Amino acid sequence: SQTIHQWPATLVQPVGSPLSLECTVEGTSNPNLYWYRQAAGRGLQLLFYSVGIGQISSEVPQNLSASRPQDRQFILSSKKLLLSDSGFYLCAWSVANYYEQYFGPGTRLTVT
Amino acid sequence: RKEVEQDPGPFNVPEGATVAFNCTYSNSASQSFFWYRQDCRKEPKLLMSVYSSGNEDGRFTAQLNRASQYISLLIRDSKLSDSATYLCVVNRRTGNQFYFGTGTSLTVIP
Repeated sequence: SQTIHQWPATLVQPVGSPLSLECTVEGTSNPNLYWYRQAAGRGLQLLFYSVGIGQISSEVPQNLSASRPQDRQFILSSKKLLLSDSGFYLCAWSVANYYEQYFGPGTRLTVT
Repeated sequence: RKEVEQDPGPFNVPEGATVAFNCTYSNSASQSFFWYRQDCRKEPKLLMSVYSSGNEDGRFTAQLNRASQYISLLIRDSKLSDSATYLCVVNRRTGNQFYFGTGTSLTVIP
């Protein structure tokens, strides 16, 4: 069966510090991978998606970047965090476009 | 206009009640439809996919109306454990975007 891991679960970082969140998927090959952010009381905002190694599509201009160095690894990064980067970051995978997505447990980021 | 719109609620219903949620989508090219459940401070979890002919999974029934561009979720015999936020999700055949509604909050009261 497939599983998706995210870490860390919780993170508190000062403004201006760097960020690296990691997501890995097990039990499947060449998944579509997604990064979402959910601000408090808000809906999910798609940040990045990837259909293969090194292929990243960005949905909104922002202070973040993503990379996919391996087939089942997806990394979300920032060089300098802003207060507005606080939120619940969720990684998800799907078999292919327009199939259901499965989410990791998420990382709750607080920028202070 | 938002891709997906849901009534945020909250819906407060007694145990055993039947409750229904609707969700409208704006793009007629949407091809895949899902309902997710999200508990407080947790990740969304797939509840069920929604098929053109409608589908049922135990106490949950999902329906799709392409002509009016909405999907619905019916929960029968509500349980306390059904309390959560229910997210409507649509996806187009082209592109790689899943569009999430902001969710409908349900609280089942003893």
